[in-house]
Amino acid sequence: EAGVVQSPRYKIIEKKQPVAFWCNPISGHNTLYWYLQNLGQGPELLIRYENEEAVDDSQLPKDRFSAERLKGVDSTLKIQPAELGDSAVYLCASSSGTGRDGYTFGSGTRLTVV
Amino acid sequence: AQSVTQLGSHVSVSEGALVLLRCNYSSSVPPYLFWYVQYPNQGLQLLLKYTTGATLVKGINGFEAEFKKSETSFHLTKPSAHMSDAAEYFCAVSGGYGQNFVFGPGTRLSVLP
Repeated sequence: EAGVVQSPRYKIIEKKQPVAFWCNPISGHNTLYWYLQNLGQGPELLIRYENEEAVDDSQLPKDRFSAERLKGVDSTLKIQPAELGDSAVYLCASSSGTGRDGYTFGSGTRLTVV
Repeated sequence: AQSVTQLGSHVSVSEGALVLLRCNYSSSVPPYLFWYVQYPNQGLQLLLKYTTGATLVKGINGFEAEFKKSETSFHLTKPSAHMSDAAEYFCAVSGGYGQNFVFGPGTRLSVLP
């Protein structure tokens, strides 16, 4: 079974440019999460989807960040425009919804804004 | 709301020595508790979990953790460290069904030869 797939693995962009990250969760996992991980810190939730509905986006900076999960499967996280402080690892995770089995994480996208 | 504290941002042990990584949590409801490991440039991998039942849980790679409700702790241990255990370890707590995980700041484990 394929795990959570994220692309790209690495991205370098200039500030003020747009960037997008893609995530394909584990088949059958209805809950999908985007986390932000700064260097030397734990992951912090950006947004949580139940199927195609964003049920918790309270920590998503909506002035520049947006996300979608069309058809309740793949998801895309976008930043426009990117700022220097957005340099971090963006992690996608999925779960069966109850949370009892934990989350399965993808390998992440490391974003560097220069 | 839930929160997690991990005492010690960096722990060093000698190969073959006991590993003890500390995790304390706060939760207003019976928690789900997890330990994850992260190797460089990789995502997080689940080591072990506690949801209900036996308070001593065993995970992969010889790790185990004990849920102590009275101490609100979920410390991670391994009897004998191996060089391959060097990584970042994160404790996480959830308030149960449908609740988001809250991660601790992480503890970086170094294993010295």
